[in-house]
Amino acid sequence: DAGVIQSPRHEVTEMGQEVTLRCKPISGHDYLFWYRQTMMRGLELLIYFNNNVPIDDSGMPEDRFSAKMPNASFSTLKIQPSEPRDSAVYFCASSPGVSPLHFGNGTRLTVT
Amino acid sequence: DQQVKQNSPSLSVQEGRISILNCDYTNSMFDYFLWYKKYPAEGPTFLISISSIKDKNEDGRFTVFLNKSAKHLSLHIVPSQPGDSAVYFCAASARGGSEKLVFGKGTKLTVNP
Repeated sequence: DAGVIQSPRHEVTEMGQEVTLRCKPISGHDYLFWYRQTMMRGLELLIYFNNNVPIDDSGMPEDRFSAKMPNASFSTLKIQPSEPRDSAVYFCASSPGVSPLHFGNGTRLTVT
Repeated sequence: DQQVKQNSPSLSVQEGRISILNCDYTNSMFDYFLWYKKYPAEGPTFLISISSIKDKNEDGRFTVFLNKSAKHLSLHIVPSQPGDSAVYFCAASARGGSEKLVFGKGTKLTVNP
């Protein structure tokens, strides 16, 4: 079991550029979550999927953010256009349901 | 508004002593509580959980206590070890499971040898 795999580990980009973060959940896990960690707000849930269907995206900050899960083994979080205030660590997590979340190691995004 | 609060950003204890990390919540609908541990450059990892039908859950050196009337939970680590040095997050859910976990901001624990 390789765990939840996120890529890239670090991303540095300029304001206005498109950023795509990727996640491969643990095989067999029906739930996938995207979290963002900042000093000010801590860990906040952005969106989660169940069986590849978005269930709750109320945490997505604005229309610049979008997430997709085209199949059970892959999800993306896209920011277009990116802004300096989007700088944070973005975590993907998966779960088989009523069990605790398994987190990836995160993507540290820096927007200059 | 923060529904899960960890009011101590940091805590320092000596090896072998007890570490007590505290967490308060405001949403009375929360019925499932978890603690996660996070090392630098890694994702949070699950440590221990408790359902609202219990007031204590123990797993080895780790014990979580829940006081529903006070909307307060705590994590006790006995004895503390240097390897326990990490950031500890308290989390809560209103659905009896892990959907829509609400996290606190974390407490950085340092265990000194």
